[in-house]
Amino acid sequence: AQKITQTQPGMFVQEKEAVTLDCTYDTSDPSYGLFWYKQPSSGEMIFLIYQGSYDQQNATEGRYSLNFQKARKSANLVISASQLGDSAMYFCAMREARNTPLVFGKGTRLSVIA
Amino acid sequence: GAVVSQHPSWVICKSGTSVKIECRSLDFQATTMFWYRQFPKQSLMLMATSNEGSKATYEQGVEKDKFLINHASLTLSTLTVTSAHPEDSSFYICSARLLAGVVEQYFGPGTRLTVT
Repeated sequence: AQKITQTQPGMFVQEKEAVTLDCTYDTSDPSYGLFWYKQPSSGEMIFLIYQGSYDQQNATEGRYSLNFQKARKSANLVISASQLGDSAMYFCAMREARNTPLVFGKGTRLSVIA
Repeated sequence: GAVVSQHPSWVICKSGTSVKIECRSLDFQATTMFWYRQFPKQSLMLMATSNEGSKATYEQGVEKDKFLINHASLTLSTLTVTSAHPEDSSFYICSARLLAGVVEQYFGPGTRLTVT
């Protein structure tokens, strides 16, 4: 069963606008971590933001924020003030127990338009 | 931050030959490393988990005799693609675990393998 679902294969956003990338997850483990990574055309995986299942507040890192809705099992990434350099693939990932590997969603390709 | 390197960054080989990819954690010791495979425009798929000094654990559907993983030291894991075929052409990414702080898994820059 798919553990991480990203339903948006591609998204377009105007420069300086905000954009939300969707991610839903499925787990029965009460302790889990949710991650977002950016993958530019070079292929490197760039860590953006992390949300723990017990964290009370939504995570924020600069222009990135994570809209964590635990009951809905949703962990959407919000990018504010989009820049041309934000154009890339974005992957949502989850690990369950702390010593298990990350499992990735299919990704969303974000294109920022000038 | 923790740095993971991979070598080579890209390689072209002929069908039937073997290719070795190295993954090194440069400034930390990693008891566990992971190998992922990514086909064009697709997601990262976990191939195997490598623990230092023991046999790797392969995901279902990954041929352990074809993808040989060795994790002989706390800073080095290798993936050898044996008897490579064109369908093995892919982007291979390693990741080293550091259970300190938030990030937990640090990724190498990836190796693009093309089998002709």
